[in-house]
Amino acid sequence: DAGVIQSPRHEVTEMGQEVTLRCKPISGHDYLFWYRQTMMRGLELLIYFNNNVPIDDSGMPEDRFSAKMPNASFSTLKIQPSEPRDSAVYFCASSRYSVDEKLFFGSGTQLSVL
Amino acid sequence: KNEVEQSPQNLTAQEGEFITINCSYSVGISALHWLQQHPGGGIVSLFMLSSGKKKHGRLIATINIQEKHSSLHITASHPRDSAVYICAVPLRGQFYFGTGTSLTVIP
Repeated sequence: DAGVIQSPRHEVTEMGQEVTLRCKPISGHDYLFWYRQTMMRGLELLIYFNNNVPIDDSGMPEDRFSAKMPNASFSTLKIQPSEPRDSAVYFCASSRYSVDEKLFFGSGTQLSVL
Repeated sequence: KNEVEQSPQNLTAQEGEFITINCSYSVGISALHWLQQHPGGGIVSLFMLSSGKKKHGRLIATINIQEKHSSLHITASHPRDSAVYICAVPLRGQFYFGTGTSLTVIP
């Protein structure tokens, strides 16, 4: 398996623009997580899905953030409009049956909002 | 209050030294994960353990469920071990992460 695939690897955009991050989890994994990593706060959970259904989105900062998982092999995280404080590395991760299973991370998307 | 506390935050060691990184958590858990993040940014799961000890090469992870404490040991450290090591616990359906330990191994 190719592992968790994220795109793009790097995104530079201007404040106010829409940003869409993409993730393909490992086939057969029922759980998908979106994390944000910053120097100040470390890794923070934004939202996670179980079998394509959003379970906990309490980490989503505000209404500017939205996430979807239309099928088992694809998820998006959208920021609209983007702000400089959204600059961070965004990771997607998946696990097989539960959070007690090993977690596999994508390579991350480095987002810079100017 | 953080559910997961790691120490030390930063660690510098000479090549060959034995290294210990500690993780304490405040709630009952079923398993604990150790992750490694290299300077390039990628995150890799090293261990998932729920009791006792696990070993993979020069890395050893231990956990004491009663004391709510886990340690990650690196024997005969090498510059390529330089990375950030993060412990994570699954709780209430999601993962909670420690702040990470930044390890630098000097040749």
